[in-house]
Amino acid sequence: DIQMTQSPSTLSASVGDRVTITCRASQSIRTWLAWYQQKPGKAPKLLMYKASSLESGVPSRFSGSGSGTEFTLTISSLQPDDLATYYCQQYHSYPCSFGQGTKLDIK
Amino acid sequence: EVQVLESGGGLVQPGGSLRLSCAASGFTFSSNAMSWVRQAPGKGLEWVSSIIGSGGSTYYADSVKGRFTVSRDNSKNTLYLQMNSLRGEDTAVYYCAKHNVGATIFDYWGQGTLVTVSS
Repeated sequence: DIQMTQSPSTLSASVGDRVTITCRASQSIRTWLAWYQQKPGKAPKLLMYKASSLESGVPSRFSGSGSGTEFTLTISSLQPDDLATYYCQQYHSYPCSFGQGTKLDIK
Repeated sequence: EVQVLESGGGLVQPGGSLRLSCAASGFTFSSNAMSWVRQAPGKGLEWVSSIIGSGGSTYYADSVKGRFTVSRDNSKNTLYLQMNSLRGEDTAVYYCAKHNVGATIFDYWGQGTLVTVSS
């Protein structure tokens, strides 16, 4: 099974900051990676897929990159609405698996 | 508008059973694989089970294999999760999620239904 590891687990940043979250896979998943945003008390929301493709309706300040085993999610200019926990997910093979999450706080 | 709505959660004793349902609308249900994803209180997301559009193939996490059964009724646009031999560690919010066509990417999620396993 493929293990997904995110870093950091928590992150505190100010409005306007550039924020980067890292996700590592235990083996190559090519670009079969998605990112989700989960706000407190809500269901997750798809942000990105195929490592760098932006889901329709997601603000362009979100971007993704990487391939193989190392991936990043970047928020170019942090907004108050971005307070959430972010999860990566590999869909290279079953069982699909999520990272443990990165909780983003706004300073 | 795509909608998925879970129901059937509740309090159940260890060893008991529960069946969750997920009513879908706004898309061609039979053309999309569907999944169940759960989240224990204060924890991260855990994929539980998937089923392809025709219902002909199913997939399970090791943690639920042999205890949970996923199924679907395409005539009713409804997904099910039959949960047997429930354990305390199955306590979680269970989300129904629609797959993006052709990939195990979850593009629409329900609001979740809480399952609590406790005596």
